[in-house]
Amino acid sequence: DGGITQSPKYLFRKEGQNVTLSCEQNLNHDAMYWYRQDPGQGLRLIYYSQIVNDFQKGDIAEGYSVSREKKESFPLTVTSAQKNPTAFYLCATTLAGGGSEQFFGPGTRLTVL
Amino acid sequence: AQSVAQPEDQVNVAEGNPLTVKCTYSVSGNPYLFWYVQYPNRGLQFLLKYITGDNLVKGSYGFEAEFNKSQTSFHLKKPSALVSDSALYFCAVRDPYSNYQLIWGAGTKLIIKP
Repeated sequence: DGGITQSPKYLFRKEGQNVTLSCEQNLNHDAMYWYRQDPGQGLRLIYYSQIVNDFQKGDIAEGYSVSREKKESFPLTVTSAQKNPTAFYLCATTLAGGGSEQFFGPGTRLTVL
Repeated sequence: AQSVAQPEDQVNVAEGNPLTVKCTYSVSGNPYLFWYVQYPNRGLQFLLKYITGDNLVKGSYGFEAEFNKSQTSFHLKKPSALVSDSALYFCAVRDPYSNYQLIWGAGTKLIIKP
């Protein structure tokens, strides 16, 4: 898990609530990513950011929002518009350059009650 | 379209036997290929990557992978499996046409039986 922290580890949300997942890194990596993982499935990209104050939608951005005000931080908000948010959320970082591997945080498991 | 396939949902191996987890890819240009491992309720851990050079790549925990350009494959291997190798394994390829995002395989569950 290295220098990437995600909090909280477990999160419970009532329907209609917005919740924010935290991702912080001390690796001085440029790019940061949010993935969603559902049981028995691979990773799906929600949002990514390659530089401060800039971010792009991934494959499943609807119902999610992000910000990148600092290099170290890339919080993800799961809004009430996300109809099926129960999943395992993973944050990752990487150095610039196509050959660099991604480093992952420990994940946050979100459950809608 | 760029894609990665892991044809086996699950692989069962006896402890001490060699193991192989298969991965094939389809990508334009030169592929950058990666293997990751995930233990239950944990983040992914990087195992190894192929960028260029020697087709046999050695990584963490005794794992290695062989890049085969003609078969567009990048199979993960280990000569002697351990029970502790039991986990979920993901193959990924860099998409050169989408800001170098990773395209992920669906994952293969590896079960090592004592």
